[in-house]
Amino acid sequence: EDQVTQSPEALRLQEGESSSLNCSYTVSGLRGLFWYRQDPGKGPEFLFTLYSAGEEKEKERLKATLTKKESFLHITAPKPEDSATYLCAVLSGGYQKVTFGTGTKLQVIP
Amino acid sequence: EPEVTQTPSHQVTQMGQEVILRCVPISNHLYFYWYRQILGQKVEFLVSFYNNEISEKSEIFDDQFSVERPDGSNFTLKIRSTKLEDSAMYFCASSEIPGGRGTQYFGPGTRLLVL
Repeated sequence: EDQVTQSPEALRLQEGESSSLNCSYTVSGLRGLFWYRQDPGKGPEFLFTLYSAGEEKEKERLKATLTKKESFLHITAPKPEDSATYLCAVLSGGYQKVTFGTGTKLQVIP
Repeated sequence: EPEVTQTPSHQVTQMGQEVILRCVPISNHLYFYWYRQILGQKVEFLVSFYNNEISEKSEIFDDQFSVERPDGSNFTLKIRSTKLEDSAMYFCASSEIPGGRGTQYFGPGTRLLVL
């Protein structure tokens, strides 16, 4: 069964203080790794899809990278509006279901 | 930008009652999904649907649950006899194609509270 583990569970940063969120996964045949942002009481908002080791994608202050065992979401010079829970999820094998991690709750302090 | 919409945003029901949660997927998407998130827990897959039939379902999706695409735009999740443990956020998602090349886009959710 697919497993997704995210760390840390919570992260508190000062505005402008860069950091990385980790997502380690165990799957049988990765077909896609996804990063979503979730605000309280809202649905997951799509950020990135990564398909193969070595792939990187960027969007504003966020950059996602992928290796064979884990993915990182790098946040450069974060702003308070980046505060949210960041979810990592995987799709594997012949399945259509996406398996989510428990998320990293990011708080950026002004 | 196209988005998935869900109604109602909140639903309160009595244990044993039936509820129907509604979703309008993104218009050119062909694959539809329901997920749920119990408060403080992770998002969990319930079911995927394509070409008017269930293509995959989880152990959570037992006989009390059913899905339907009653017309060309709506996708519904019915819970026949609600239990206290069904209280959760229910998210609908859709994708243009399945699998890793088909990113799933999520709606804002329906918060279901069973009393």
